[in-house]
Amino acid sequence: SAVISQKPSRDICQRGTSLTIQCQVDSQVTMMFWYRQQPGQSLTLIATANQGSEATYESGFVIDKFPISRPNLTFSTLTVSNMSPEDSSIYLCSVEVGENYGYTFGSGTRLTVV
Amino acid sequence: AQSVTQPDIHITVSEGASLELRCNYSYGATPYLFWYVQSPGQGLQLLLKYFSGDTLVQGIKGFEAEFKRSQSSFNLRKPSVHWSDAAEYFCAVGTFGSARQLTFGSGTQLTVLP
Repeated sequence: SAVISQKPSRDICQRGTSLTIQCQVDSQVTMMFWYRQQPGQSLTLIATANQGSEATYESGFVIDKFPISRPNLTFSTLTVSNMSPEDSSIYLCSVEVGENYGYTFGSGTRLTVV
Repeated sequence: AQSVTQPDIHITVSEGASLELRCNYSYGATPYLFWYVQSPGQGLQLLLKYFSGDTLVQGIKGFEAEFKRSQSSFNLRKPSVHWSDAAEYFCAVGTFGSARQLTFGSGTQLTVLP
């Protein structure tokens, strides 16, 4: 399975600022996914990012708030823009590796907005 | 649209006791089902997955799950729980094709008493 390095692991940010989260995979993958886990909640898919194309956002998430880059097959970034305390969550990236539908997750970025 | 229900928000068991975590899904086609575990401050680790074939699936850490199509269930079991099993457990259903993604249940928090 793939190994994912996600940075930063945690951050405390001021409202109105932006934070970019990086996701590095040790192998080439076609699809990368970004999830949000609000405090005490389950995971919600933000968007799916394929290399060379625009990310596909789920209902309730927009590109202006969560711009995503996918410059190559091993790397992606998620930016949380113009943050408010409601954005305080854990953000996780995930990749699908191989033909056995194995989804691997990064260790997450714990974001606190004050 | 697919959905997953985990009816138990919190379960407490004594160490050495057996465990069963419930999961019910709704999906119009053959489901691809997963169980993940999330320890505090950690990402998600895949315990096991079901795609087809034998309805009893063996996973890591001594866990198993049984797929019952007639009940739309995929319950997770372990015959003897260890203190290190205390964590949050998520059931998920996978959709594939052009809209590949995982949909998660709300999770079950497991507490293990000494």
